[in-house]
Amino acid sequence: AQSVTQLDSQVPVFEEAPVELRCNYSSSVSVYLFWYVQYPNQGLQLLLKYLSGSTLVESINGFEAEFNKSQTSFHLRKPSVHISDTAEYFCAVSDLRNGGSQGNLIFGKGTKLSVKP
Amino acid sequence: DVKVTQSSRYLVKRTGEKVFLECVQDMDHENMFWYRQDPGLGLRLIYFSYDVKMKEKGDIPEGYSVSREKKERFSLILESASTNQTSMYLCASSLWSGTGGSYEQYFGPGTRLTVT
Repeated sequence: AQSVTQLDSQVPVFEEAPVELRCNYSSSVSVYLFWYVQYPNQGLQLLLKYLSGSTLVESINGFEAEFNKSQTSFHLRKPSVHISDTAEYFCAVSDLRNGGSQGNLIFGKGTKLSVKP
Repeated sequence: DVKVTQSSRYLVKRTGEKVFLECVQDMDHENMFWYRQDPGLGLRLIYFSYDVKMKEKGDIPEGYSVSREKKERFSLILESASTNQTSMYLCASSLWSGTGGSYEQYFGPGTRLTVT
């Protein structure tokens, strides 16, 4: 069965430091990959996605993620974080049960990023 | 702008009550989903629907049912609420992948349900 592993449940970091949130998935076939962000007391918002093409995808607020097929990873990175990046981040992969026809996603358990001044 | 709304942000119910959580999307999406979110467990899929009057069980359907009478509305029902159903409930919608959708899901703000 497919799965998504977010290796760190919590990542504390100082403001302006770089950060990497790790995500590994299990699948033997092509998948779509997503990172969502959840600010306190809100729903999830899409941060970035990989569907095909360039393996490096970027968001509008400075995050980027690289799809690595051989390592089955989709790690999220930001070279310099801000206090406002404090949130929980979820990695997700397209669910291929039933041939992937129903558009489901499988989510990781989340990583809480805490940015300290 | 894409919008998914949920009927309540916070809800407090008593054990044994019947609870309705409503979700409405204005994007004409075929797919709609209900998740519950608990600390350390991430998002777990309860039910989903890929068309009006269609429903499929997710990973944790026990104790829940759903209704989709109109394309834009997907309701989650707790027939007899229990304390272990205290959680954050998130609704989402997406375009069906068969019509060019990319699996991208759009989420509502969530309903924090407390059952006492």
